[in-house]
Amino acid sequence: SQQGEEDPQALSIQEGENATMNCSYKTSINNLQWYRQNSGRGLVHLILIRSNEREKHSGRLRVTLDTSKKSSSLLITASRAADTASYFCATGLSMGYSTLTFGKGTMLLVSP
Amino acid sequence: DAGVIQSPRHEVTEMGQEVTLRCKPISGHDYLFWYRQTMMRGLELLIYFNNNVPIDDSGMPEDRFSAKMPNASFSTLKIQPSEPRDSAVYFCASSLGLGQGAPQPQHFGDGTRLSIL
Repeated sequence: SQQGEEDPQALSIQEGENATMNCSYKTSINNLQWYRQNSGRGLVHLILIRSNEREKHSGRLRVTLDTSKKSSSLLITASRAADTASYFCATGLSMGYSTLTFGKGTMLLVSP
Repeated sequence: DAGVIQSPRHEVTEMGQEVTLRCKPISGHDYLFWYRQTMMRGLELLIYFNNNVPIDDSGMPEDRFSAKMPNASFSTLKIQPSEPRDSAVYFCASSLGLGQGAPQPQHFGDGTRLSIL
């Protein structure tokens, strides 16, 4: 079964608004990563947060992690049409090297 | 720097034909992954390599699928014989390993869109 599940499945907003996407997972993790996928392209890494971190920022992106609730959120502030894409969370399970398990993603549409 | 390069970008072939997908990882990366993406199942890990050695192929759906990594700069995923249900987008990704002292992101190619008629 998928380790990470994003919510909502789809989100439609206007330019300038904030977009929040959530990710829930089932087992203890070592790190959680967010990726973006534009139509017809590969996934692009956005941000990585480790299990001992609660919040990270990168430009207009803010990621939070609540290990007690097994959930993470990705906030995109002041969204732009170019942010239109699918967003995936991926979990890494162990201290040693582990593969990532991806959720099915949230499709974000930002209208001008 | 060049990213992960996959070829071909699109492949349309008839059922029963052999299909070979190719990947060139980022130079210096010691992990390579093959994924399959479909609407129904999302992104599934098929197999991954470390230093050219296959580590886990439990995601390979059937014996019709095989993957090789003859050297650090090239990998192939082969389907023989192909079936319509193999139609999907296949991604290759590479990453550095734990030698960097921290979890590492994966870098994806733009995929091969495979259609089996």
